[in-house]
Amino acid sequence: GAGVSQSPSNKVTEKGKDVELRCDPISGHTALYWYRQSLGQGLEFLIYFQGNSAPDKSGLPSDRFSAERTGGSVSTLTIQRTQQEDSAVYLCASTRGETQYFGPGTRLTVL
Amino acid sequence: GNSVTQMEGPVTLSEEAFLTINCTYTATGYPSLFWYVQYPGEGLQLLLKATKADDKGSNKGFEATYRKETTSFHLEKGSVQVSDSAVYFCAQDGGATNKLIFGTGTLLAVQP
Repeated sequence: GAGVSQSPSNKVTEKGKDVELRCDPISGHTALYWYRQSLGQGLEFLIYFQGNSAPDKSGLPSDRFSAERTGGSVSTLTIQRTQQEDSAVYLCASTRGETQYFGPGTRLTVL
Repeated sequence: GNSVTQMEGPVTLSEEAFLTINCTYTATGYPSLFWYVQYPGEGLQLLLKATKADDKGSNKGFEATYRKETTSFHLEKGSVQVSDSAVYFCAQDGGATNKLIFGTGTLLAVQP
């Protein structure tokens, strides 16, 4: 596709439920990042994938968060047992060089 | 650890006014520096970048110069337009993975 796409664009869930957020990077981009944008914390790095290397998970806030990238392309961020503090916009970015290209984000609201 | 500090907003200016948004960073080594912009209802877009000391990034009339001596990367524009109203984020790339470390963002509102 022309850019990074993310789905869903909005997700409302109840506390305690699991959610999955999807990211389709730009074709040919080998690196993929997840970030979170929230009122209290600004923009924070969550996780990074590069090719077949082990991901950098250093930004994941708790073990309820996990992510995978299948076939070096699509990535899914999973949040288990969601909490209200997980409410944020989750952004995905991809790159094959230095410039990261961001998707439109998924707005997650945990009630 | 590495961090980015940018001026608090909101910044409200009249059209054609001069804009400066201050940004300073702390880092080990010499990161690349970026300004990203988020227009209302849209995703983050790269506005400009600089990869080494004294480089000047420029785009759409905006400029920023990588100042190693003051660890700064201030964003400037000589004459803002209403269409420049957005949130501006300063960022550095942190370490081997090039993950971005962002400032808190500065909301710019330009009035006609």
